Amino acid sequence: ETGVTQTPRHLVMGMTNKKSLKCEQHLGHNAMYWYKQSAKKPLELMFVYNFKEQTENNSVPSRFSPECPNSSHLFLHLHTLQPEDSALYLCASSPLTSGGPYEQYFGPGTRLTVT
Amino acid sequence: SQQGEEDPQALSIQEGENATMNCSYKTSINNLQWYRQNSGRGLVHLILIRSNEREKHSGRLRVTLDTSKKSSSLLITASRAADTASYFCATDRGSTLGRLYFGRGTQLTVWP
Repeated sequence: ETGVTQTPRHLVMGMTNKKSLKCEQHLGHNAMYWYKQSAKKPLELMFVYNFKEQTENNSVPSRFSPECPNSSHLFLHLHTLQPEDSALYLCASSPLTSGGPYEQYFGPGTRLTVT
Repeated sequence: SQQGEEDPQALSIQEGENATMNCSYKTSINNLQWYRQNSGRGLVHLILIRSNEREKHSGRLRVTLDTSKKSSSLLITASRAADTASYFCATDRGSTLGRLYFGRGTQLTVWP
């Protein structure tokens, strides 16, 4: 247990569906991240939130919509996805104090399949 | 190429042997981190080495860092079947904002 939980663990959705991924961290961290991990590719950083404010959007298509209501919770809202969006979506958190260094703590991921 | 970039891409060894994985990067860094990922799971932080450190140990793990060559190595001694996983290095590219840059990883298989 890393202190970061993600739900659901598995999700199958059609291209016209709307679903949301949830991430919660119990570590008191103030930075949270969404990553996409596809087969044979490096981890792709999607979004970064520092103190609930989005500080990075790594050219992610608008069909992915993040939400960070507080420092402990992070959502990724999904709509009209494409089959190539099928991947493991990982959430992570880290402290952001005193200039670092910052280890990241990852959740177990949500395996998403778009049909 | 990636920042960091691990090699080999895959490594297969017997239990009890040592496993060495390498990582190269291109920019200045404040620190370099190694993570482990079991199949289909999240990444787990293993060890962090700062740019002013040359070697660090944690249990059966030994990490070295050569900033002049922009490279790092992770050594797992006396490997076990449970060490089978993917191993990633990550750097901060000199940023203090918490962002990390991961490579493609090394898939380590340890046979009993």
